[in-house]
Amino acid sequence: ILNVEQSPQSLHVQEGDSTNFTCSFPSSNFYALHWYRWETAKSPEALFVMTLNGDEKKKGRISATLNTKEGYSYLYIKGSQPEDSATYLCAFKSNQFYFGTGTSLTVIP
Amino acid sequence: DTGVSQDPRHKITKRGQNVTFRCDPISEHNRLYWYRQTLGQGPEFLTYFQNEAQLEKSRLLSDRFSAERPKGSFSTLEIQRTEQGDSAMYLCASSSGLTGGRLEQYFGPGTRLTVT
Repeated sequence: ILNVEQSPQSLHVQEGDSTNFTCSFPSSNFYALHWYRWETAKSPEALFVMTLNGDEKKKGRISATLNTKEGYSYLYIKGSQPEDSATYLCAFKSNQFYFGTGTSLTVIP
Repeated sequence: DTGVSQDPRHKITKRGQNVTFRCDPISEHNRLYWYRQTLGQGPEFLTYFQNEAQLEKSRLLSDRFSAERPKGSFSTLEIQRTEQGDSAMYLCASSSGLTGGRLEQYFGPGTRLTVT
């Protein structure tokens, strides 16, 4: 079983703050890295799929970077809003998908 | 088609009973995944299908678990002789494409199983 770690486990920020989380994964047998956002009582929703070392992707105020050689990805949220409150999951794809335990973000108005 | 659907949303069963869950993927998606999620953990891969073929199965999946995807459309996950440790959220996801893993997955709302 591969180890995918996310940090921090939970985070509380004030509205307007920028924040970032980390996903660490094995640097071998890399195929893809997915980020998902999971709001309470809803289904996980895809944010990004990253495949190449050095990839940077952006969607509105959210962006992500990928370093496959050292085995990490960062997710950034600029100017956090209360609606950003959710659990952010990363998933490492080699032969199958391995999910981290998520970072729970709470944005305080 | 508005997304992936799962049925039932909640299931309470007594230990030793069999349960079956259904997943209807997005209609044009050829890949279908089953995951299990327990409290405080991320989703744990169980199995996946490309069309009707079951291509990968987690080694963690005991022989009490079986999944099917007849005709490459909906899928069922059956758990026989349920145990209390099977209590979890069972998630289904689908995606398109032949190059697996490089396209996002679309998740259903999950089936919450409680074994008493």
